[in-house]
Amino acid sequence: DQQVKQNSPSLSVQEGRISILNCDYTNSMFDYFLWYKKYPAEGPTFLISISSIKDKNEDGRFTVFLNKSAKHLSLHIVPSQPGDSAVYFCAACQGGSEKLVFGKGMKLTVNP
Amino acid sequence: DVKVTQSSRYLVKRTGEKVFLECVQDMDHENMFWYRQDPGLGLRLIYFSYDVKMKEKGDIPEGYSVSREKKERFSQILESASTNQTSMYLCASKAQNEKLFFGSGTQLSVL
Repeated sequence: DQQVKQNSPSLSVQEGRISILNCDYTNSMFDYFLWYKKYPAEGPTFLISISSIKDKNEDGRFTVFLNKSAKHLSLHIVPSQPGDSAVYFCAACQGGSEKLVFGKGMKLTVNP
Repeated sequence: DVKVTQSSRYLVKRTGEKVFLECVQDMDHENMFWYRQDPGLGLRLIYFSYDVKMKEKGDIPEGYSVSREKKERFSQILESASTNQTSMYLCASKAQNEKLFFGSGTQLSVL
């Protein structure tokens, strides 16, 4: 049973517009959420995270929103740039566990 | 910067061969992980280790074994490679309550 779901496999947006990547989770014990970005033939790199005590975290062009009641989080990228084209993974973990549970990933394409 | 180094970027092996995948991290992290990434399936945890000599099965441990003899090194062994083990293998490490750092990955092809 998938505990972290990224239901859209891909997203295409124009440069300069907003990209919104969605993630849903089923385990109410998750209290820490992360987004990773992965380019082809490279390992994933950490992008941004959010603790369950917050509902928003911002870092430059990247903002993550958390809706605990809906068990939903989203990553907003604005403005989108061609270099943002990559696969994005949503991940979650619960307090006391060092294991991250990942979603299946979503391929973002930003067109010039 | 944290460095997680995987010994090979690309490997081509034949069915039935033994495969060694090595991973070294330089930040004294307690926790180390092996994932595989397949299109449409995301990142799936094979094994992880939270201390020297300790290991725990992840979600898909069948066909794999691991070894953590030293804190900085986490090795994975495929005793008899099969074609369904063709994949990108990613090693990662993390300190307690910190984010996960990944290596560059090993693309393994089993023919």
